[in-house]
Amino acid sequence: NAGVTQTPKFRILKIGQSMTLQCTQDMNHNYMYWYRQDPGMGLKLIYYSVGAGITDKGEVPNGYNVSRSTTEDFPLRLELAAPSQTSVYFCASSYSGGGGRGNTIYFGEGSWLTVV
Amino acid sequence: EDKVVQSPLSLVVHEGDTVTLNCSYEVTNFRSLLWYKQEKKAPTFLFMLTSSGIEKKSGRLSSILDKKELFSILNITATQTGDSAVYLCAGGGQTSYDKVIFGPGTSLSVIP
Repeated sequence: NAGVTQTPKFRILKIGQSMTLQCTQDMNHNYMYWYRQDPGMGLKLIYYSVGAGITDKGEVPNGYNVSRSTTEDFPLRLELAAPSQTSVYFCASSYSGGGGRGNTIYFGEGSWLTVV
Repeated sequence: EDKVVQSPLSLVVHEGDTVTLNCSYEVTNFRSLLWYKQEKKAPTFLFMLTSSGIEKKSGRLSSILDKKELFSILNITATQTGDSAVYLCAGGGQTSYDKVIFGPGTSLSVIP
């Protein structure tokens, strides 16, 4: 059971570099999300998507971009990495959004990103 | 602005103790309250509560929602070291387009 798979698990970036965090899910979920979690803090929503071709900003979208060309994939791009983007990134998916019955959110295992 | 607040933010107990974790929420068009357990990696789902006053149980864990007071609690009885984790509370709205808002989490440490 793959569920939500994200890569890489660990990455060190230099300031100003760019990179893409990959995320794929095999549960045919409509909704996909990217969260970041800073030490001792809760999950902050970066971007989310309600279906292929549709994306929307979350609480902290600055410095990031996403695309959703297929139901399965939802990559997160960091342009011009900054130390403030040092964090753990979680990709997640759910069948539906809001508080409905299908909204159990399934998380990937996380990607630890350090910007130096 | 929507928000979810959890207390305490951290807690240290001895094995065998009972703990109560608190979650209050202000979520537009609220429909459900979700609890997750996060150990070293990704959060895992514990409960989803939609009705006031109905307790949900899973082993030593139980949770209840009070929609009048905008409040939920998560109880863990006879705690074990394996219960050490961050417990996240999240509030979800009515429609499919409402975002789920997460609280900061309660870090629970259970010592032998």
